[in-house]
Order: sequence, then structure tokens, then C-alpha cells
Amino acid sequence: AQSVTQLGSHVSVSEGALVLLRCNYSSSVPPYLFWYVQYPNQGLQLLLKYTSAATLVKGINGFEAEFKKSETSFHLTKPSAHMSDAAEYFCAVSDPGNKLVFGAGTILRVKS
Amino acid sequence: GAVVSQHPSRVICKSGTSVKIECRSLDFQATTMFWYRQFPKQSLMLMATSNEGSKATYEQGVEKDKFLINHASLTLSTLTVTSAHPEDSSFYICSARVLAYTQYFGPGTRLTVL
Repeated sequence: AQSVTQLGSHVSVSEGALVLLRCNYSSSVPPYLFWYVQYPNQGLQLLLKYTSAATLVKGINGFEAEFKKSETSFHLTKPSAHMSDAAEYFCAVSDPGNKLVFGAGTILRVKS
Repeated sequence: GAVVSQHPSRVICKSGTSVKIECRSLDFQATTMFWYRQFPKQSLMLMATSNEGSKATYEQGVEKDKFLINHASLTLSTLTVTSAHPEDSSFYICSARVLAYTQYFGPGTRLTVL
């Protein structure tokens, strides 16, 4: 069965600093991986997705993620954090039935 | 991009009443939609998969008679919480599958049952 582990339920960075949110997955088949962002009391917005093309995936708002099969990881990064990046981020893997399995989420705090 | 709407965004009801939540795909047709539930400070839990023109598929532990799902058209799925109780209070989010494996989410509905 597919599963996702997000290391760190809370991450705090200073404005302008590198953002790194960690995601490791477990999948019995080649995975489709996603990062979503959720602002308070809102739905989820798709940041980026990996669907077996390029291993380095660029998304919206300056975010990118690299698929590393050997490490079963799909970490999300952004070179320079903005205050507007403060939100909760979810990593997800698609199972063979096209259902999304979500990680527990990581709350990103950006300090001024 | 693909836009999914939900209505209402927030609803407060008395215990024992039924509440209907609508999920619409605004600029595309969605043969498959999903309904999730999210408790405070937790991740999303898939409740059911809604397929246009057929019965919904419920996840284990989700009461299908309590959470009625109808997907009557390619742009609309509805979730009805029947005889709602305070423990049904939650944030309900729908999504629509656009391409294989990719889901776009609605803004969510906050249900509070008094």
C-alpha cells in the first residue's frame, strides 16, 4: 500500500531563507507524487506534480521538487521564502486506484 | 487552470437536520470527484469516490447511509450529511480528477452542527 511520511510537522524559516520540506513515500508501483498547499480555511492548491517525466519538477510560486527513487523522496524546496508562503503543505502519492494518499502535513512559518 | 467550487462555504445547523454540500467543476467535465473530510490540525481523509452516473464508492468505515453522494452530471457532485450530529462537524473538501492521477480541489465547506 502507498504511504507518505512528512518529516517535521512544523518548519520555521526566516524570510529570504531556503525552504526545505521533506517527503518520503512508499509505493509498490512507480509513483505519481504531488505537493499541495493549504491556506487557513481553504481548499488545497496544487503546487507541482511528478508523473514519471523529468525528476526535477518546477511548480508555481517558485517551488520545485526533486524525485529521488533511490531515496524514495520527493522533497519540496524554494530558494527564498516569502511571508506569503506561510501555510500548510501536503505531500501526496497516487495509488493504483487513482486515489490520493496524503502525508500528515507540514506547517511552514516564515519569520520576518 | 481547472477550477472547482463548493457551496456553501460555511454552514451551521441543528442536530438532526440534513445538510447538502455542492461541488462543481466550473470549466471542465469531471467523471470522477472525491470527497474528503479534514479534522482540525489533521490531514485529509478520503470519504468516497463519486462517479458520474453510478453509485459512489465509500472508504472503509464511512457510513454510506449517513453521507449520501450523488453525481448526477459531469459538473456536479453533492454530499448530503443526513441527520447531522455534533461529531459530524468538520471541514469537507471535494476534488475533481482532471487528468489521470491529478486532482483539483474545491475551497472546502465548514460544517458546524450544534
